[in-house]
Amino acid sequence: GAGVSQSPSNKVTEKGKDVELRCDPISGHTALYWYRQSLGQGLEFLIYFQGNSAPDKSGLPSDRFSAERTGGSVSTLTIQRTQQEDSAVYLCASSSQANTEAFFGQGTRLTVV
Amino acid sequence: AQSVTQPDIHITVSEGASLELRCNYSYGATPYLFWYVQSPGQGLQLLLKYFSGDTLVQGIKGFEAEFKRSQSSFNLRKPSVHWSDAAEYFCAAWSGGSNYKLTFGKGTLLTVNP
Repeated sequence: GAGVSQSPSNKVTEKGKDVELRCDPISGHTALYWYRQSLGQGLEFLIYFQGNSAPDKSGLPSDRFSAERTGGSVSTLTIQRTQQEDSAVYLCASSSQANTEAFFGQGTRLTVV
Repeated sequence: AQSVTQPDIHITVSEGASLELRCNYSYGATPYLFWYVQSPGQGLQLLLKYFSGDTLVQGIKGFEAEFKRSQSSFNLRKPSVHWSDAAEYFCAAWSGGSNYKLTFGKGTLLTVNP
């Protein structure tokens, strides 16, 4: 597509439920990032994928968080047994090999009630 | 550890006044540097970037930034602020090479008074 697409745009879930957030990067982009943006906290790096290399998972806050990227394209961020502190906007971005500019999606606003 | 620091959490300026948002980085070598803007309810948009060459970089919406190696800084400036510039601004850095990890500062919220 023309830009990075994230779905859903909003998600309300009950505490303890699992959620999946989806990111469709710009076609051909080899690098894909997930960030979390909490109110007043800026952007917190979660994970990034670069081509076929092992992902950098150093930013995942707990083992309840996981992500995969199938076929080097679409990525899914999964949060298991959600907690209220997981409420935030989750942003996905992608960048190309040749152009290091990261293009961001509109984000998924997750609310855990 | 590599880091990006934005010392100002919140800045308020009057419309028409000049603006400077500060950004400092801590990297072993000069990283690639970026400024992004996030308007309320919107995603992040790239304003400008510095890779090498001329240390004064022009961006969109009338913004510019100056890279100063001696101060490890990449401050964002605009000569005359418009009410529509009210947003949150993020400085980011990338170390280069095969590692594409972007590191962001915590952001500066800009309020513009009429």
